[in-house]
Amino acid sequence: GQSLEQPSEVTAVEGAIVQINCTYQTSGFYGLSWYQQHDGGAPTFLSYNGLDGLEETGRFSSFLSRSDSYGYLLLQELQMKDSASYFCESRDTGRRALTFGSGTRLQVQP
Amino acid sequence: DTEVTQTPKHLVMGMTNKKSLKCEQHMGHRAMYWYKQKAKKPPELMFVYSYEKLSINESVPSRFSPECPNSSLLNLHLHALQPEDSALYLCASSPGTSGPYNEQFFGPGTRLTVL
Repeated sequence: GQSLEQPSEVTAVEGAIVQINCTYQTSGFYGLSWYQQHDGGAPTFLSYNGLDGLEETGRFSSFLSRSDSYGYLLLQELQMKDSASYFCESRDTGRRALTFGSGTRLQVQP
Repeated sequence: DTEVTQTPKHLVMGMTNKKSLKCEQHMGHRAMYWYKQKAKKPPELMFVYSYEKLSINESVPSRFSPECPNSSLLNLHLHALQPEDSALYLCASSPGTSGPYNEQFFGPGTRLTVL
């Protein structure tokens, strides 16, 4: 099976940088994806790491270290609209099943 | 067209009712998914269809019955549900089922209440 652990809440101010961590335990591992979900909305895809290292997409970057079973999402120049829940997600190669992490609620304050 | 649509947006049903949730995508994606999401929890995978065949059933009770009539449509038939089944039901699609082709596009969801 799989488990992906994230901090439950993070608070930061506008303009700051915040890092949301995801540690995983899986019997097989394909890669790590990140999704954003605003209250009442659907999850939207942010990024995918199939290989170790950093992927950058505008203000958002994501990092993966397979040797450490760890990844993170980095949000820069925070804006109020970034207040949302963020989920890491992974696929288990053995069961081909998808699991979302426990989720991190980000509160951006003025 | 880069969206996944779901109907209805809201559904209230009794425990003896039979209803269906519908999902549609026209992006040519070959994988479609049903998730259940409770408040303040992550989405939980229920079913995956790959090339119109059921490839994953996450031990979902038989009162939930998925159907994939064609590559663009996905249904979830509901029968004899319990109040604890009340949740947001999300449909998603992806181009494929591995690596970067796993990016999922989610519909807005159906908010289901079972009385």
